[in-house]
Amino acid sequence: QITLKESGPTVVKPTQTLTLTCTFSGFSLDTRGVAMGWIRQPPGKALEWLALIYWNDAKRYRPSLRNRVTITKDSSRRQVVLTLTDVGPVDAGTYYCARRPFESGGNGTFDVWGQGTMVIVSS
Amino acid sequence: QPLLSQPPSVSGTPGQRVSISCSGSTSNIGDFFVNWYQQFPGTAPKLLIFSNNQRPSGVPDRFSGSKSGTSASLAIRGLQSEDEADYYCETWDARGGPTFGGGTKLTVL
Repeated sequence: QITLKESGPTVVKPTQTLTLTCTFSGFSLDTRGVAMGWIRQPPGKALEWLALIYWNDAKRYRPSLRNRVTITKDSSRRQVVLTLTDVGPVDAGTYYCARRPFESGGNGTFDVWGQGTMVIVSS
Repeated sequence: QPLLSQPPSVSGTPGQRVSISCSGSTSNIGDFFVNWYQQFPGTAPKLLIFSNNQRPSGVPDRFSGSKSGTSASLAIRGLQSEDEADYYCETWDARGGPTFGGGTKLTVL
């Protein structure tokens, strides 16, 4: 059974750095063709992809956030970490991690999601 | 503004067939597979359709997906009250990575 669970602070102050951890089980992030992503959802709004990290440690970031976001992995601990610097009100919302396997020739799909963790930006 | 355009809302009566459109461009839908997700209030999205028209195990065959050119569509036949949820299309965009539509709220009247 594949499970993912996000953890991190519920409240962060403006200009601070947000660090979220996704702890997963039931698969290996060292397996070729597997990636993990972070997606967020502001209250009442649409899903927004933030970052992706592949089994080979390659990374992709949302272009508009490239200078503020970092994704890393620790395969032995089965964790993926998202860091977002200089947070502001627009960064509030629910943050999800999700697995994204890539089949041969395909662009992948977010097939398993964590339950999400809510982040409030407030001083 | 999302790169993929969806109608904000659709509605239907039980038993009816409804469809949700997802419009993109040659840099996303035109070149890549489309996925669809279902999200109930307060819960995480769930994969509904992948690779344009494939259903994961456990998804009823009332749900189907299609793609033509730079547009995709999710169809639900035999609409049920429990289908009331938000639906998101998603694909890859050549300029960045995964991209989601703005979401469509389905109301069962």
